[in-house]
Amino acid sequence: ETGVTQTPRHLVMGMTNKKSLKCEQHLGHNAMYWYKQSAKKPLELMFVYSLEERVENNSVPSRFSPECPNSSHLFLHLHTLQPEDSALYLCASSQDRLGQFFGPGTRLTVL
Amino acid sequence: QKEVEQNSGPLSVPEGAIASLNCTYSDRGSQSFFWYRQYSGKSPELIMSIYSNGDKEDGRFTAQLNKASQYVSLLIRDSQPSDSATYLCAVKPGDTDKLIFGTGTRLQVFP
Repeated sequence: ETGVTQTPRHLVMGMTNKKSLKCEQHLGHNAMYWYKQSAKKPLELMFVYSLEERVENNSVPSRFSPECPNSSHLFLHLHTLQPEDSALYLCASSQDRLGQFFGPGTRLTVL
Repeated sequence: QKEVEQNSGPLSVPEGAIASLNCTYSDRGSQSFFWYRQYSGKSPELIMSIYSNGDKEDGRFTAQLNKASQYVSLLIRDSQPSDSATYLCAVKPGDTDKLIFGTGTRLQVFP
C-alpha cells in the first residue's frame, strides 16, 4: 500500500443511483487527482486539485462531481451514470514536481 | 495535443535477460519523466523518475533520458518472472501538475 487509500474498492450501481468515491492520502502531499482507466486506453485525467483548489477539469461530464474538503481528502460524487462509465477510478497524490502516488482504485460497474 | 507513445507489446524476454522499454513524447517543454509498473488488476506503482539527460540507476532498473530526441527508456536487468506487468511511461509537460500517460507496454518474462 502506498499511503493513498480509496473506498469502496468495488462498486456496482444502476444508472439512477447516486454514490460517492472516497480517497484519502496520508503523505502530506499538496495535490490530488482523479483518473479513469478503461481497458486498452491510456489513463485519463479527470480532475486536479492543488492546495484544495480545482485547477483542471478535463471536459468531464457533469454526472461526475469532485469535492476536495481539505488537502488529505478527495471525493468523486456520481449520479445518473452510463454503462460506458464502467472503469477503474484511480486517485493519486503528489508533492510539487515529484511523481504521483496512486491508490488501489475503485472498480466501478454501471448496470 | 500532447502525446506519449509506447509500443503496446507484449515484449517477451527470457528470465535473466535485459528488458528494454521505450517511450517517445511530443512536448519539448517536458521536464519530468516517470515510469510506473502496473500488475493486472492493480493500480500503477511509481518505480523510476528522471529529470535530466543521461542515465539514472536504481537496483536492476535504469532510466535513460534524451531530451533532444524526446525519448525516454527503461532497462530492466536480470529480468524475473515477477517483472511481468504493464509499464507506463508518464511525462509532465512544462510547469504543470498533470501527467500525460502512454498506453503502456506489456512485458512478459518467461522462465
